[in-house]
Amino acid sequence: VQLVQSGAEVIEPGASVKVSCRTSGYTFDTYWIHWARQAPGDSLEYIGYIYPKSGDTKFGQKFQGRVALTSDTSISTAYMELSNLKSDDTSVYYCARADGDEYYFDSWGQGTLVTVSS
Amino acid sequence: DIVVTQSPVSLAVALGERATINCKSSESVFYRPYNKNYLGWYQQRPGQPPKLLIYWASTRESGVPDRFSASGSGTDFTLTISSLQAEDVAVYYCQQYFSIPITFGQGTRLDI
Repeated sequence: VQLVQSGAEVIEPGASVKVSCRTSGYTFDTYWIHWARQAPGDSLEYIGYIYPKSGDTKFGQKFQGRVALTSDTSISTAYMELSNLKSDDTSVYYCARADGDEYYFDSWGQGTLVTVSS
Repeated sequence: DIVVTQSPVSLAVALGERATINCKSSESVFYRPYNKNYLGWYQQRPGQPPKLLIYWASTRESGVPDRFSASGSGTDFTLTISSLQAEDVAVYYCQQYFSIPITFGQGTRLDI
């Protein structure tokens, strides 16, 4: 099982970022992909999940309306797009695989550093 | 949201000695129909993503050394490293996955 994320980004305040999570080694659309982030020196903050088989998504309330989770089953890849970025969105963003919506994360991507700066 | 609180925030233990980390959730994460506690433990080394150690509060993930063990139920949980090795230096997180949003503790930094 591998989850490989896209590279680091520097984004201006107010813009959007789209992070990809390319998976391999398992049947993509039968597992949930969850997203979380980690600000420098901080703990992990949950963003939401997508179930690729149905496209079902759910988000933490903090991100409702500002995040979009999508997937492309033809290339086993999930995406997280966060809009209207602010400086406190500067974090490492992770995707992780789980065998359910309310489930532990058994494999993680390597992380994508998103820096919000003008 | 379920708040997860870990203690201590940091911990220094001699090589070969026992390390114990506590985790408390603001609500029970025990789901009676499945008889399971929806609680996991992760290890994060510097510059790396978290790594799953324990799930269902006490089940060790495949490949995790047996010096790692965990226990607890309801709202109170413990991770124990029976004999600390140099490679165990990391930050440890507990996570509740009983309800969305999934939440993590603030982390416990473990040093030699």
